[in-house]
Amino acid sequence: DAKTTQPTSMDCAEGRAANLPCNHSTISGNEYVYWYRQIHSQGPQYIIHGLKNNETNEMASLIITEDRKSSTLILPHATLRDTAVYYCIVRVGNFNKFYFGSGTKLNVKP
Amino acid sequence: DTGVSQDPRHKITKRGQNVTFRCDPISEHNRLYWYRQTLGQGPEFLTYFQNEAQLEKSRLLSDRFSAERPKGSFSTLEIQRTEQGDSAMYLCASSLDEAEAFFGQGTRLTVV
Repeated sequence: DAKTTQPTSMDCAEGRAANLPCNHSTISGNEYVYWYRQIHSQGPQYIIHGLKNNETNEMASLIITEDRKSSTLILPHATLRDTAVYYCIVRVGNFNKFYFGSGTKLNVKP
Repeated sequence: DTGVSQDPRHKITKRGQNVTFRCDPISEHNRLYWYRQTLGQGPEFLTYFQNEAQLEKSRLLSDRFSAERPKGSFSTLEIQRTEQGDSAMYLCASSLDEAEAFFGQGTRLTVV
């Protein structure tokens, strides 16, 4: 069952930061937030995940609110190649059984 | 970097035929997952292996579907008596224990 809510689509100008929001108001204390993206006709690509603290890697940053009911994925300098569907997922249990939902279609425009 | 490999990438079959897909996970990954994705939808979980043991199956996995991972390495997903509704992208993923899962490029099945 869906545990996250994301906007259907977003636009972002090339070179600007893309901020993708996600609501997960029913998240439990030991459930992680994961982000994947899927470029057309390819398999989902892992981006980042977190539990409580903000996380950063070479691809993106993940900001989780203090009450953990929402999070934001930040792509600091979006490029055209970042155009994809972005999925915010709450992982239930200790294995990677995900409910992907419909995600957010990010359109990066020149 | 040899990621998750799936074969074939595309398969067209006639309704009623059997098909088998193969997934080679990332080396040393002990967990393997199968997902199915239909057009315009997000991937849906089908089943999960830890080593050779199949630990969970979705109710999406009807009795025409069977998955195996005989030696805890590669896995196969077989669909018997295919139906047009089986047309989808079949995705495989692997992980080392609870760590993040990495997906393959998928096998696109078209049943005609």
